[in-house]
Amino acid sequence: GQNIDQPTEMTATEGAIVQINCTYQTSGFNGLFWYQQHAGEAPTFLSYNVLDGLEEKGRFSSFLSRSKGYSYLLLKELQMKDSASYLCAVTDSNYQLIWGAGTKLIIKP
Amino acid sequence: ETGVTQTPRHLVMGMTNKKSLKCEQHLGHNAMYWYKQSAKKPLELMFVYSLEERVENNSVPSRFSPECPNSSHLFLHLHTLQPEDSALYLCASSQDWDRGPGELFFGEGSRLTVL
Repeated sequence: GQNIDQPTEMTATEGAIVQINCTYQTSGFNGLFWYQQHAGEAPTFLSYNVLDGLEEKGRFSSFLSRSKGYSYLLLKELQMKDSASYLCAVTDSNYQLIWGAGTKLIIKP
Repeated sequence: ETGVTQTPRHLVMGMTNKKSLKCEQHLGHNAMYWYKQSAKKPLELMFVYSLEERVENNSVPSRFSPECPNSSHLFLHLHTLQPEDSALYLCASSQDWDRGPGELFFGEGSRLTVL
């Protein structure tokens, strides 16, 4: 079966750096997405990786290794507003979007 | 503001009621989706419409009935639901669907509680 694994919950300190990992086993690969979802709000797009390497966008970066079936989302200079769930999703060979269960990130002062 | 609006935001219904969820997108997208989100579980795709035609129906019970009257509007009609159907129902849209949804634009969801 197809599966995406990410930690259920993580805690980090304001101003620090946190890395949220995502590993996947899917039938083929056509891209990986990260979404952010604040409690009670809509998920919003953060990043898209289809080639290996690091994509940087301000305080957020996303990394992909297709050979390892692995990605991470790196958040720098953490702010209280970064407290949210982070969803990893992979498009498989049939262009179906497979979702992880999300990682709840708690930021402490 | 994501350009996708869902109503109602909260809904409580009994198992014998009939209600509908509404979604409207103002982005000019061709594809619209219904997802179910339960705590600590992956998003579950329920239905996909592309250019107003249903293209995906992932073994969803018949007590959920979608309707897409035009490319901007999507409904989910609910009847004789079960308590386990309590969840957050998310509507989303994307530019196209045929080679994967690409970036999805989500509404804020309708929180459904079935008593």
